[in-house]
Parts: sequence; structure tokens; C-alpha cells
Amino acid sequence: GAVVSQHPSRVICKSGTSVKIECRSLDFQATTMFWYRQFPKQSLMLMATSNEGSKATYEQGVEKDKFLINHASLTLSTLTVTSAHPEDSSFYICSARGTDQETQYFGPGTRLLVL
Amino acid sequence: AQSVTQPDIHITVSEGASLELRCNYSYGATPYLFWYVQSPGQGLQLLLKYFSGDTLVQGIKGFEAEFKRSQSSFNLRKPSVHWSDAAEYFCASGGYQKVTFGTGTKLQVIP
Repeated sequence: GAVVSQHPSRVICKSGTSVKIECRSLDFQATTMFWYRQFPKQSLMLMATSNEGSKATYEQGVEKDKFLINHASLTLSTLTVTSAHPEDSSFYICSARGTDQETQYFGPGTRLLVL
Repeated sequence: AQSVTQPDIHITVSEGASLELRCNYSYGATPYLFWYVQSPGQGLQLLLKYFSGDTLVQGIKGFEAEFKRSQSSFNLRKPSVHWSDAAEYFCASGGYQKVTFGTGTKLQVIP
């Protein structure tokens, strides 16, 4: 149980285009999902907290207009990187808060490369 | 604010040897504590968690961790390491609002 999937697993796009990443909780409902960014050899940096049916809460320094988050259902949250630039290239990981309301279960991550 | 410290950036152990990865937390009340493992290019897998109760917690893959309030520590242990345990290990603290991660410890296992 508590499986989280992400799609796509990796994406290459041209600078200036937008990329959508999906995060799904497969066997449980998640009212809250989290989006992280991980740079090489570093820990996870929380970008935003996504709550079903409401606006996401962004961490300080994260551009909400660039990283659009939608949490339209209890099993799906999406992160759209708008007008992507090479500096947006990174490993993006989502997590979903489990039914115990404390544990986060992580997706496998999405590797984004912007050319 | 919560903080999590993993003093060891990189650890190398021989296969079959015992392992202990250190984690210290800073939090006013009793925190929720987690250990995750990340293989290269993968997401994070939950190894174990501590919320309350017995301070020795058993996890998956033969791992255990002990919560020591007096030392503000939550060290991860395994009695006999396997080559497949080579990965990055993250200690984390928090829960409902957000989880704070340590900087990670990379484990290398040598034959």
C-alpha cells in the first residue's frame, strides 16, 4: 500500500516551453501532496504544499507563476513548469501524505532537462 | 524551527559489517522522525518511522532505529550490511505541516 507514481519519469524540452508533471496516489487518497526539487548530491528542497481543492502553498523563494500546481482530485496533483529554462533542469519529486496524516510517501521522481 | 543534522556525508562499510548512520534533530516537542533511502535516480522509500511508544523501531530491509530524547538522536542501524544497501539515506523530522530533511548520508558498500 501507499504507492505514489509520477509521470513522466524523465522529460527533455526546449527552453521556453512548458512541462507538466503528474503525481498520483495509487491506492490511497491524499488530501495533501508535496512537491520537492533535488539538485545533484543535495537533499530535497520543498517547493510547495498542494491541498486538494485549494491553492497551493509555496515556500519562500519559489515562483508561483512559474511552478503552477493543481490538485484537482484526491489522487492527483500536477506541477507545470512554465516557460522552462535550463536552470529549471532538476529532479522533481512529489510525495503524498498518508492516511496517518503524518507519513509522506514519495513518487519515483521526474528528471527534467531543459535545452 | 526544526532542523535535522546528518553529520556523516559519506560512509564506507564492508559487506557483512554492521552499520550505524547518525541523525540529530532539533525540535521543541517530541518530533515525528523518519528514515528514507534513495537509490540513484529514484524517489525516496520509507524505511521506518517513529511517532511515539517504544523507542526502538523496526523497519524494512532489516533496519532499525533508536530514538534517544536525551541525545536528540535517531540513529539508523543494521547488523549486517548487504551490497544492495548502497544508497543515500535521509533522516527527516516533522509531519503534518512539513517534513524537514537532513542533508543525507551516502553509503558505499565494499566487498
